Amino acid sequence: QQKVQQSPESLSVPEGGMASFNCTSSDRNFQYFWWYRQHSGEGPKALMSIFSDGDKKEGRFTAHLNKASLHVSLHIRDSQPSDSALYFCADMPNYNVLYFGSGTKLTVEP
Amino acid sequence: EAGVTQSPRYAVLQEGQAVSFWCDPISGHDTLYWYQQPRDQGPQLLVYFRDEAVIDNSQLPSDRFSAVRPKGTNSTLKIQSAKQGDTATYLCASSTGGGGEQYFGPGTRLTVL
Repeated sequence: QQKVQQSPESLSVPEGGMASFNCTSSDRNFQYFWWYRQHSGEGPKALMSIFSDGDKKEGRFTAHLNKASLHVSLHIRDSQPSDSALYFCADMPNYNVLYFGSGTKLTVEP
Repeated sequence: EAGVTQSPRYAVLQEGQAVSFWCDPISGHDTLYWYQQPRDQGPQLLVYFRDEAVIDNSQLPSDRFSAVRPKGTNSTLKIQSAKQGDTATYLCASSTGGGGEQYFGPGTRLTVL
């Protein structure tokens, strides 16, 4: 099974600050990464996907992919208390199954 | 548009008891997934279907777990004889397949005492 290493385990940022998450895949053939967010008591919800090298921006969220190093990151600018949640990266090597990392718990302090 | 619905939301069992989880995917989604999410971990695939066919059940503990999707719409996941190690949240997701977004339900939180 694919292995996705995610860091940090937890993160605390002030309201309005920048939150950054990192993931590395062990699969040299990985094609496609997703970022999901999970609020307490809810199922994960997709934030964005990325499959091309470089940056992808959607509103306050920017994902960066480096295929050579098998590394993907997510950055949230102007963080809000409502962004407090678990953040997961997930590799999708066969365009069907998601292989999730262990997650990062984000706390945005007012 | 209604999202993925799951029931029950919570279940508490003694070891050895059986339990079933039910999932209603988003209308028109042909692909349905069941994931297990232990506490403080990411979801892990148990099984997935395309229409009524099982595509991958290699991670399903087949001696105690079973899953069906008989008409290619709703699905049921059953644990025949629960163990404490089965304590987790069971998530159902659906998609149109082919790398598209997977939409998750709220999950069923199972506690096995």
